[in-house]
Amino acid sequence: EAGVAQSPRYKIIEKRQSVAFWCNPISGHATLYWYQQILGQGPKLLIQFQNNGVVDDSQLPKDRFSAERLKGVDSTLKIQPAKLEDSAVYLCASSSLGTDGRYEQYFGPGTRLTVT
Amino acid sequence: AQSVTQLDSQVPVFEEAPVELRCNYSSSVSVYLFWYVQYPNQGLQLLLKYLSGSTLVKGINGFEAEFNKSQTSFHLRKPSVHISDTAEYFCAVSDRGNTGKLIFGQGTTLQVKP
Repeated sequence: EAGVAQSPRYKIIEKRQSVAFWCNPISGHATLYWYQQILGQGPKLLIQFQNNGVVDDSQLPKDRFSAERLKGVDSTLKIQPAKLEDSAVYLCASSSLGTDGRYEQYFGPGTRLTVT
Repeated sequence: AQSVTQLDSQVPVFEEAPVELRCNYSSSVSVYLFWYVQYPNQGLQLLLKYLSGSTLVKGINGFEAEFNKSQTSFHLRKPSVHISDTAEYFCAVSDRGNTGKLIFGQGTTLQVKP
């Protein structure tokens, strides 16, 4: 089966500009996650969707970040306006219920954002 | 709340030597434990996971990990590493609710030298 797709793979913008990332999860996966991975750190969950509803967005900086998952399939993550500290890799993951009774996450290749 | 500490930021090792990557976690509830690998410019790939049962867990690529509840540790081991094992390794936990939310450590860079 096809994996999690993300685009673009790389993006360079100036501070105060806006940017959007796109994610297409594995077909049939109801749960979708966006993570932020700053250089030298582990991924940090920004937002989790179950179908098109938000399950957890407690660590999403809502003054500048927004995300949506219309129709419960593809998702977009937007930053407006961007700050220097937003430079990071943005990972999308999707999950399905495994044979062990819990959800296993599958990660996309990520979008590397550089804010100058 | 949970947290994960990976005790080594970088681990250099020669090819065919054994390696151990250390991970300690903190949680007030029972957790599931995971190790992921990230090759350059790629997403994370699951190496292995501990859900319950035997404390010794075997994963892909010859890796294994041992869950130690008393020491709240989940160290990753491989008896003989290859150049191709050079990558970033992340330890992660999730609570036993079914949201699947993962809390990651800061990562350990494994550098295998010829």
